[in-house]
Amino acid sequence: NAGVTQTPKFQVLKTGQSMTLQCAQDMNHEYMSWYRQDPGMGLRLIHYSVGAGITDQGEVPNGYNVSRSTTEDFPLRLLSAAPSQTSVYFCASSYGLGMNTEAFFGQGTRLTVV
Amino acid sequence: DAKTTQPTSMDCAEGRAANLPCNHSTISGNEYVYWYRQIHSQGPQYIIHGLKNNETNEMASLIITEDRKSSTLILPHATLRDTAVYYCIVRVRGGGADGLTFGKGTHLIIQP
Repeated sequence: NAGVTQTPKFQVLKTGQSMTLQCAQDMNHEYMSWYRQDPGMGLRLIHYSVGAGITDQGEVPNGYNVSRSTTEDFPLRLLSAAPSQTSVYFCASSYGLGMNTEAFFGQGTRLTVV
Repeated sequence: DAKTTQPTSMDCAEGRAANLPCNHSTISGNEYVYWYRQIHSQGPQYIIHGLKNNETNEMASLIITEDRKSSTLILPHATLRDTAVYYCIVRVRGGGADGLTFGKGTHLIIQP
């Protein structure tokens, strides 16, 4: 099993450009989420999804869009990149509420906005 | 989710037990204690979780006080590869990909 796969691993954008960070999981997990991590900080939740067709905002959603058309994929869209969005982005997946299991994380996408 | 308090950093000698404390004095009766670690900016990795009984797996042991207001993660024989940031998270039962609240964690440095 591949687990949680994020692409690309590295990306440099110019201010104002848009792009999509990809996240895919092959564990049939209901829940998926996106976090960002800034230097010296813990992870902060951007958006999450509890199933196909259902998404919700986390702590820092501004400037990002998500959709969940399939169970496997949860792409994160940057609409108009800003230097403040320079960060490392992590995608996670897990079984749902009430299931006593853990979250699995991808290896991250390192994004620089210049 | 209940707030947790962890030391910013700790050192431990290689081969010794590493004991990482976590305070969670406002934990609710239905909340679990989860531990994750993050090695050198990789994605976080699950370690262990528990409700009120002590737990052990192949990676670590988790000791939760009787009043559940604090816990200790124990790495029994620390190696250099255990150098990482360790996060203590308190939340209701569930996988967690609907939102884990990460603080700054404890930076554990294993010394040779």
